[in-house]
Amino acid sequence: QITLKESGPTLVKSTQTLTLTCTFSGFSLSTSGVGVGWIRQPPGKALEWLAIIFWDDDKRYSPSLKSRLTVAKDTSKNQVVLTMTNMDPVDTGTYFCAHRDWISLSFDYWGLGTRVAVSS
Amino acid sequence: QSALTQPPSASGSPGQSVTISCTGTSSDIGNYNYISWYQHHPGKAPKLIIYAVAKRPSGVPDRFSGSKSGSTASLTVSGLQADDEADYYCSAYVGNNNFEWVFGGGTKLTVL
Repeated sequence: QITLKESGPTLVKSTQTLTLTCTFSGFSLSTSGVGVGWIRQPPGKALEWLAIIFWDDDKRYSPSLKSRLTVAKDTSKNQVVLTMTNMDPVDTGTYFCAHRDWISLSFDYWGLGTRVAVSS
Repeated sequence: QSALTQPPSASGSPGQSVTISCTGTSSDIGNYNYISWYQHHPGKAPKLIIYAVAKRPSGVPDRFSGSKSGSTASLTVSGLQADDEADYYCSAYVGNNNFEWVFGGGTKLTVL
């Protein structure tokens, strides 16, 4: 059974760096084809894909946020860490991590999400 | 890459069918068949209900079906049930030279 859980601060200040951790079980990020992505949702707005990291440590980022994002994995801990620099109130929202299915290229398992508020 | 366009709301009575559209461009929906739909009950984890345009993951009832025509994808929910009331999001994988996913703005489905 695949599960994912996001954790991190609920409140950060403008210009600070946000660090979120995704702790997962039921799969290994060292298995060929596996990927873990990050998606966020501002209040009342659309989902927005942020980044993804693959089993071979390949990393891809949203072009519009690429300069602010870093994603890394700790295979031994079954964790993926997302950092976002220079936070702004517009970055307020719920941040999800999700397992990417290698055949359909869809996100087939998601965490509950973690809410992050950015104060000015 | 711009977000995909969905109607903000849809509704239907129990037992009826409702179709939710998702409009993109020739660069995303029109060019790829990696179209997915997610059901999201607030406070819960989003759930994949359709992938590859029209395929259902194991455990998803066949009341949920997907299709695509040109740059528009559609999700049809037949035999509406109270528990179908949720937010629904479409998504497209846009390969290009970089892995990228775009999502729709979401549709709130209300079961009357």
